[in-house]
Amino acid sequence: QIHLQQSGPGLVKPSQTLALTCAISGDSVSNNNAAWNWIRQSPSRGLEWLGRTYYRSKWLNDYAESVRSRIAINPDTSKNQFSLQLNSVTPEDTAVYYCAKWPAKVNAFDIWGQGTMVTVSS
Amino acid sequence: QSVLTQPPSVSAAPGQRVTISCSGRSSNVGNYHVSWYQQLPGTAPKLLIYDNDKRPSGIPDRFSGSKSGTSATLAITGLQTGDEADYYCGTWDTSLTGVALGGGTKLTVL
Repeated sequence: QIHLQQSGPGLVKPSQTLALTCAISGDSVSNNNAAWNWIRQSPSRGLEWLGRTYYRSKWLNDYAESVRSRIAINPDTSKNQFSLQLNSVTPEDTAVYYCAKWPAKVNAFDIWGQGTMVTVSS
Repeated sequence: QSVLTQPPSVSAAPGQRVTISCSGRSSNVGNYHVSWYQQLPGTAPKLLIYDNDKRPSGIPDRFSGSKSGTSATLAITGLQTGDEADYYCGTWDTSLTGVALGGGTKLTVL
């Protein structure tokens, strides 16, 4: 049974960095047949894919153009988890953030974290 | 504005059949597999359909998917009140080098 457990603060000040972690159980972040993703959801933007990290002989990333200049998604193999860092946040970054697994053989998000509501406010 | 276009809402009576459309273009739906997700209030989305028409283990066969050209469709038969939720489509988009997601459709079971 694969499980994704998210952690991180629910309140971030404007201009600061949003940082969330997604701990994986039942699978490995180094699984070379999967990608590990961050997705957010807000009333104004709907569901929005932010980016992913995945291992294919080396670590690779893809990021959404809307956040490419200020996002980083990194694996932590020692803790079997991956993280999201979003810099220079504004109130528009207020959303529920989800981590999710995308297996290559499924081509879809088959496992989701529980979601973290992050509010950007002073 | 979402890359994939879905109707904002659909409704039908219990026991009836409803369809939800997902319209894209050649860079996404036209050339990649489509998936569908169900989101009940206050919960994370749940995978309903992958590879256009495949159901994960545990998803009832009342849910089915299809694709033709640059459009995909989710069909739900034998509607139940528990099916009231938001439904989203998704697929890879080569022009974005990322995942495209629809704006979501709210299903009301009257």
